[in-house]
Amino acid sequence: GDSVTQMEGPVTLSEEAFLTINCTYTATGYPSLFWYVQYPGEGLQLLLKATKADDKGSNKGFEATYRKETTSFHLEKGSVQVSDSAVYFCASHNAGNMLTFGGGTRLMVKP
Amino acid sequence: SAVISQKPSRDICQRGTSLTIQCQVDSQVTMMFWYRQQPGQSLTLIATANQGSEATYESGFVIDKFPISRPNLTFSTLTVSNMSPEDSSIYLCSFSFVTEAFFGQGTRLTVV
Repeated sequence: GDSVTQMEGPVTLSEEAFLTINCTYTATGYPSLFWYVQYPGEGLQLLLKATKADDKGSNKGFEATYRKETTSFHLEKGSVQVSDSAVYFCASHNAGNMLTFGGGTRLMVKP
Repeated sequence: SAVISQKPSRDICQRGTSLTIQCQVDSQVTMMFWYRQQPGQSLTLIATANQGSEATYESGFVIDKFPISRPNLTFSTLTVSNMSPEDSSIYLCSFSFVTEAFFGQGTRLTVV
């Protein structure tokens, strides 16, 4: 079945540092790919998405590019802020309409 | 985009009791999904609920423990039965529309 693997956390960075959270997937066909964010005590929110190869999703300074050749969808941000501290989930969306989630990566940004 | 409302948002329950979680969508959707997020972990799919048929459960989840109703295309319930502290989790409903999934706000359940 489909699976999503993302780097384990926690990831601890200083404010304004560069962020990369790796995500790779296995799937039959061509899934859509997502990053969700969960701030402390809150529900899941869609951060960005890409629906086909070479698409780049972006939002709030975060970016991720759908790389079919490496089956990856790494999340990046050039300069993180304390307010970015959260848990980030990579997910794939297949033809069966269900989401497959990675294990989540906790990001902690220190001032 | 469609709105999905889930309630209760949180509850503290005694072991051995049951809790029913409701999700209401403001448009008709074919499939709804129920997920569990145990403390510090990722989301795990419990079951897929289609209107008019029995829910399809993932490995490790059974209907007696997590009965689901789907009476129409805008509503679904998940019951957590005979609860134990191990059931303490966040439960989320979800549906897909085109290429995107939408989530309810989640129900944070604590079993004492």
